[in-house]
Parts: sequence; C-alpha cells; structure tokens
Amino acid sequence: GQNIDQPTEMTATEGAIVQINCTYQTSGFNGLFWYQQHAGEAPTFLSYNVLDGLEEKGRFSSFLSRSKGYSYLLLKELQMKDSASYLCAVRSGNTGKLIFGQGTTLQVKP
Amino acid sequence: NAGVMQNPRHLVRRRGQEARLRCSPMKGHSHVYWYRQLPEEGLKFMVYLQKENIIDESGMPKERFSAEFPKEGPSILRIQQVVRGDSAAYFCASSPTVSTDTQYFGPGTRLTVL
Repeated sequence: GQNIDQPTEMTATEGAIVQINCTYQTSGFNGLFWYQQHAGEAPTFLSYNVLDGLEEKGRFSSFLSRSKGYSYLLLKELQMKDSASYLCAVRSGNTGKLIFGQGTTLQVKP
Repeated sequence: NAGVMQNPRHLVRRRGQEARLRCSPMKGHSHVYWYRQLPEEGLKFMVYLQKENIIDESGMPKERFSAEFPKEGPSILRIQQVVRGDSAAYFCASSPTVSTDTQYFGPGTRLTVL
C-alpha cells in the first residue's frame, strides 16, 4: 500500500529553525516534493528530491534518504508568513501521480 | 507568464445538479492533473490527462465523475448529480512532461453542495 506520514501540527518561534519530518512507504518511488499551502490557497512548490542528500534553496532545505523512506523539510530564520501547511508528496511510478501526506500545520509565534 | 487558471473559484450547487470545473494549464504545459481536498484532509489524486487522452484515472470515483482535456480549450472535470459529500476544493495542476517535472497548482475551485 501507499502511506505517507507527517506530524499534524508544529509550533515554532519567529527567527528559529524548524524541521518537519515525512516518512513514506510507496511503490515505484520517483521523487519527493514539498509544497507550502496557506489556508484557502493553492499549494506552492518548495522543493524536490529524487536522489539521497540535501537540497538547499535559501531559507528552505530538504533532505531525502530513499533507503529509510524518510525526508525532512528544514526552515531557517522563521518568519510569521511561514505559518502555513507543509505538504509532503511522493511521485509514484511514471504517470506523475502525486501521493500526499495529510500535511503539517506550522504555527510561527512572535 | 500566467500560471494555472481555474474557474470558477467558488461554485454552489444543489443536490442532484451538475458541476463543471475548468482548468487551463500553464503555457507550454500539456499534462494536467486533478486533485481533491476534502475539509481537514490531504490532497487526493483523481485523474491525469494529456491532450485528448486520459492516462491515469485510478483516483476517480467510478460513478458521476468524468474528465476531459480536448485538443482545444481547457480541461473539464464534470460531476453529475452532485451530493453533499462532493463538497471540497478541487485543484488542477500542470506540468510540461511527466517523469522529471514539477507540477504547478492552480488556485482551486471550492465546490459547495447544498
């Protein structure tokens, strides 16, 4: 079966660093994506990993370990506008279908 | 360079009516995906289409739901005889190719069934 797990909620302080974990069990793994979604809005692409290791993009970094079925999204220098849901999604097979986790709602406090 | 366009943004239907949701992919993108997000739930894949072809409809309910992506014009997700359980946000995403490209999402259509 296909299963993606991430924490439901997290809270962090403005200016701090937060790590959002994602574990997955899927067949035909073909890449892992992180999206940000503010309430009532569309998911916005943040990062993509297909090989093991760390991808860095400004304040956001994403890590993948395929052997462990594990990824994390690291957000540095948190800002209030980073309060949103963060969606972990695995691309399965060659059709491009994305399988999403439930999302992690991050609240950034002053 | 316009992003993925969806309309309407909000749609209200009574039980038994039909809902038509439209999606225009980003310029240069020929692959369209539809996802549904029920309240307090994650996004669920419904269907993947290329121009004039349905490639993967493994997430589509067997009845009342259909999708098309004609040679000209937007992709259409059609829900016949809507029920209250169809109330959700329906997102469309597009990508240039399949295997390596990122999917970019439209703003969604929020369907409310009364």
